[in-house]
Amino acid sequence: AQSVSQHNHHVILSEAASLELGCNYSYGGTVNLFWYVQYPGQHLQLLLKYFSGDPLVKGIKGFEAEFIKSKFSFNLRKPSVQWSDTAEYFCAVKAPNGYQKVTFGTGTKLQVIP
Amino acid sequence: DTEVTQTPKHLVMGMTNKKSLKCEQHMGHRAMYWYKQKAKKPPELMFVYSYEKLSINESVPSRFSPECPNSSLLNLHLHALQPEDSALYLCASSQGPGGNSPLHFGNGTRLTVT
Repeated sequence: AQSVSQHNHHVILSEAASLELGCNYSYGGTVNLFWYVQYPGQHLQLLLKYFSGDPLVKGIKGFEAEFIKSKFSFNLRKPSVQWSDTAEYFCAVKAPNGYQKVTFGTGTKLQVIP
Repeated sequence: DTEVTQTPKHLVMGMTNKKSLKCEQHMGHRAMYWYKQKAKKPPELMFVYSYEKLSINESVPSRFSPECPNSSLLNLHLHALQPEDSALYLCASSQGPGGNSPLHFGNGTRLTVT
């Protein structure tokens, strides 16, 4: 069975600081990887995804993530955060079998201080 | 705004009540999902419908009964719930089973069981 762990539960940064959120997954085969974001009072939205090819993927709002297969990791990065990035971030994994079972990590709450 | 519409936004029900949650999408997606999210926890998969057929039931108690009347609609019928079932219930859709399509989430129904 697949599982996802996110190391940081709560991160506080000042505006313009760089961000890196850790995500490790556990699954023996090929996986599809996602980062979702939930802004306060809003629905979960896709930030970026990795299926194959270039392990460095770019998403919306200046976010990117790097898939490192040897480390089973898919860390999220942003060079310079803004106050509007305050949200909860979820890493998710899906094994590309016949059915869409997406497993979410426990989430990281990011608070950006102006 | 999300393209997955959930009603009602809030629901309070007693343990003997019968109620239903509704979800609708018009993106032509053929896979639909119910997730349950408790406070400060990640979304947990409950059910997956693929082409209007139930494809995954994550050992959910029978007091939760899903229904997919057509490709655009997904219901969750609730009966004899327990207070611990209080949570945010999220509906999601994706283009189809398998493949690499990400989930599109609704805003959720905040359920309180008294």
